[in-house]
Amino acid sequence: GDSVTQMEGPVTLSEEAFLTINCTYTATGYPSLFWYVQYPGEGLQLLLKATKADDKGSNKGFEATYRKETTSFHLEKGSVQVSDSAVYFCALSGNSGGSNYKLTFGKGTLLTVNP
Amino acid sequence: NAGVTQTPKFQVLKTGQSMTLQCAQDMNHNSMYWYRQDPGMGLRLIYYSASEGTTDKGEVPNGYNVSRLNKREFSLRLESAAPSQTSVYFCASRVGIGEAYNEQFFGPGTRLTVL
Repeated sequence: GDSVTQMEGPVTLSEEAFLTINCTYTATGYPSLFWYVQYPGEGLQLLLKATKADDKGSNKGFEATYRKETTSFHLEKGSVQVSDSAVYFCALSGNSGGSNYKLTFGKGTLLTVNP
Repeated sequence: NAGVTQTPKFQVLKTGQSMTLQCAQDMNHNSMYWYRQDPGMGLRLIYYSASEGTTDKGEVPNGYNVSRLNKREFSLRLESAAPSQTSVYFCASRVGIGEAYNEQFFGPGTRLTVL
């Protein structure tokens, strides 16, 4: 079945540091890929998405590129801020029959940015 | 436009008690979902409703029941709460089940403790 593996945290960075959170997936066909962010005490919000190979999703300075050859969707940001402290989830939605109804999530990566 | 709303925000139950978690969305979405979030486990799907009038089991349905009351509302019921059901519960909605490229929108969550 579908699965998502993302780097385990926690990740602690200083403000203005470069961020990478790795995410790889297993799925049949051509899934859609998502990054969600969860701020403390809140629900999940969509950060960015990509729906086909080589697409780049971007939002709020974050970027991720859909790499089918490496089955990856790594999240990057060039300069993190304290306000980026949150839990980040990589997720996929399958396109093949039987798996396109749901999101499959990674376990989440806690990011803490210190001033 | 409130998006996805959930009630209550917090709840403490004793083992064996029952309760219903309420969820409503005002985005005219067809599909709705219930997840639970546990530390180190990511989000796991409990039940989903592809459209008004249908419900299906997800990964972890045991101990839960759901009702799709109408297009807007999707409730989750714990008939006899157990300590293993202590978790944060999230409701989500999506435009439709066939469009894998469309993201899910999440509510703020219900934090449930079963003593």
